[in-house]
Amino acid sequence: QQPVQSPQAVILREGEDAVINCSSSKALYSVHWYRQKHGEAPVFLMILLKGGEQKGHDKISASFNEKKQQSSLYLTASQLSYSGTYFCGTEHAGNMLTFGGGTRLMVKP
Amino acid sequence: GAGVSQTPSNKVTEKGKYVELRCDPISGHTALYWYRQSLGQGPEFLIYFQGTGAADDSGLPNDRFFAVRPEGSVSTLKIQRTERGDSAVYLCASSPSPGLGYGYTFGSGTRLTVV
Repeated sequence: QQPVQSPQAVILREGEDAVINCSSSKALYSVHWYRQKHGEAPVFLMILLKGGEQKGHDKISASFNEKKQQSSLYLTASQLSYSGTYFCGTEHAGNMLTFGGGTRLMVKP
Repeated sequence: GAGVSQTPSNKVTEKGKYVELRCDPISGHTALYWYRQSLGQGPEFLIYFQGTGAADDSGLPNDRFFAVRPEGSVSTLKIQRTERGDSAVYLCASSPSPGLGYGYTFGSGTRLTVV
């Protein structure tokens, strides 16, 4: 079953923060986050494993609440390069990901 | 290779024709995945290979779709009697090993248009 992402779209000014949420109706083994720019392939950002801690690099981090079956992606002090569509991918069992519908992020100068 | 390579990058075919889409994963990656993506939507799972065998083909929409990975590296997605609804970007991804905390590396995709 496809995870639900919110919001569907967000517009930011450079330097502003954003949070993207991903929610599943099934127990999660792991959550992946990807960013896809128009006409390009999705690019892996990070993975959060069951029982693992919050991950991050630079100004992009994520958390994983196993009880609520939710993950959130945090983008702080956004840059123009952050623009794109963000997808969460959830793994339940069987080692393949089910992707959400995406969150379109636009960062304006 | 350095990344996941997919060929062709674009394919236009007539309704009813047969097409083959090729994926060359990163060398040494045992897991290979096929997804398809329609405009404005997230990637939709089709099939997953671990080595040469299809570990999960539950996403293949019907028996017109078939995929192989005979030597555990290159994979081919085959679509028979194509329909206009098959038009989408077909994405291939690979990872070093499934279920161990590795992300997927995606190829640039094959844009299939059925006219």
